[in-house]
Amino acid sequence: LAKTTQPISMDSYEGQEVNITCSHNNIATNDYITWYQQFPSQGPRFIIQGYKTKVTNEVASLFIPADRKSSTLSLPRVSLSDTAVYYCLVGGNTGFQKLVFGTGTRLLVSP
Amino acid sequence: DADVTQTPRNRITKTGKRIMLECSQTKGHDRMYWYRQDPGLGLRLIYYSFDVKDINKGEISDGYSVSRQAQAKFSLSLESAIPNQTALYFCATSGKGAGSNQPQHFGDGTRLSIL
Repeated sequence: LAKTTQPISMDSYEGQEVNITCSHNNIATNDYITWYQQFPSQGPRFIIQGYKTKVTNEVASLFIPADRKSSTLSLPRVSLSDTAVYYCLVGGNTGFQKLVFGTGTRLLVSP
Repeated sequence: DADVTQTPRNRITKTGKRIMLECSQTKGHDRMYWYRQDPGLGLRLIYYSFDVKDINKGEISDGYSVSRQAQAKFSLSLESAIPNQTALYFCATSGKGAGSNQPQHFGDGTRLSIL
């Protein structure tokens, strides 16, 4: 089971870049890294997924170093609407029971 | 995600009652999941289903049962509800693919309170 560790909370201001790092020291060879965003009273929403190096989409970037023991979600120029909980998940084809959402990182963006 | 619909959105009931939460999806996905979220905590997997005839226990299946009536429908039952099952329940779906890394699509949840 690839357990993940994230900061409990982060604060930022509008227009800043936010980087949330997730530690997954025992990630398996076939594991992918996936990030979700959750607003209050809503289900989590998929943001981005990667296996190695860097992945970028219209919402965020995901940086994964060569050893894959950590990953960093980067949100460029955040706005108030980016205030949410962000979850880092690690999972591959070893069974769905092992796909675990941790407590996530609560990001608060202020004006 | 409007493609995954959960009913009811809110439910208050008493200890010992049988409760059924329903989930339907229009995404055409084979895989469906039920999660539970407690205040301030992450999601925990209750049951998951790869197709109509394939149902599996998750991390916390005790006290729950499920039924996959069709590809698009997956219901969660609490046979005899107890107060510590008070939580926010989410249904999710995902497409076929290598393992558990397929992105999951969540409904907006059912808030269940057991008195």
